[in-house]
Amino acid sequence: QSALTQPASVSGSPGQSITISCTGTSSDVGSYNLVSWYQQYPGKAPKVIIYEVRKRPSGISNRFSGSKSGNTASLTISGLQAEDEADYHCFSYAGSYIVIFGGGTKLTVL
Amino acid sequence: QLQLQESGPTLVKPSETLSLTCIVSGGSITNYSYYWGWIRQPPGQGLEWIGSIYYSGSPYYNPSLKSRVTISVDTSKNQFSLKVNSVTAADTALYYCARHVSYVEYFDSWGQGTLVTVSS
Repeated sequence: QSALTQPASVSGSPGQSITISCTGTSSDVGSYNLVSWYQQYPGKAPKVIIYEVRKRPSGISNRFSGSKSGNTASLTISGLQAEDEADYHCFSYAGSYIVIFGGGTKLTVL
Repeated sequence: QLQLQESGPTLVKPSETLSLTCIVSGGSITNYSYYWGWIRQPPGQGLEWIGSIYYSGSPYYNPSLKSRVTISVDTSKNQFSLKVNSVTAADTALYYCARHVSYVEYFDSWGQGTLVTVSS
């Protein structure tokens, strides 16, 4: 089972919107609405910000939103803020009791 | 509030066995709603799921690591453990334990992580 494919890096200016893609296959992302996204600051543990494609845990800003089309899931951050600068990882169920992460994307706020 | 804490040796020699324990506090490991998992992150790289286990003891593993990995649970101590056999430098990573919201869902609570280095 290969890792989900994410861009290595994305960037945006404060106030803008950015989107991070997460491409899998018809066996994982395409088959299940079980994609989640994690935010990770340097030296810190990841934190879930989106689960089941588009749901937000309590306390997560509505500036974060998720979607999915076919084998690709996406994380959109609107109204970009300096504090959003972090690494973002996608994650999906892949069937047969297997789960997989993406390679991670570094977000830079210019 | 749930807390998870990894513990174990931070330096392991090549070909030996890496052993880590995750102590769970502020909640019971026998909560039927959750699984318990291990994830690792090599320096400067992405996250890799190692495996997860239910409190009753049914583990399941990343196929790429399955031949070298054992995850077990000790409900009497409210903890679960990881063993990786025959380690090499490629196993050097930050190892996290985390609570898995069912075996298909996401990890909602994480330990702080422990860096394990494989070196002679």
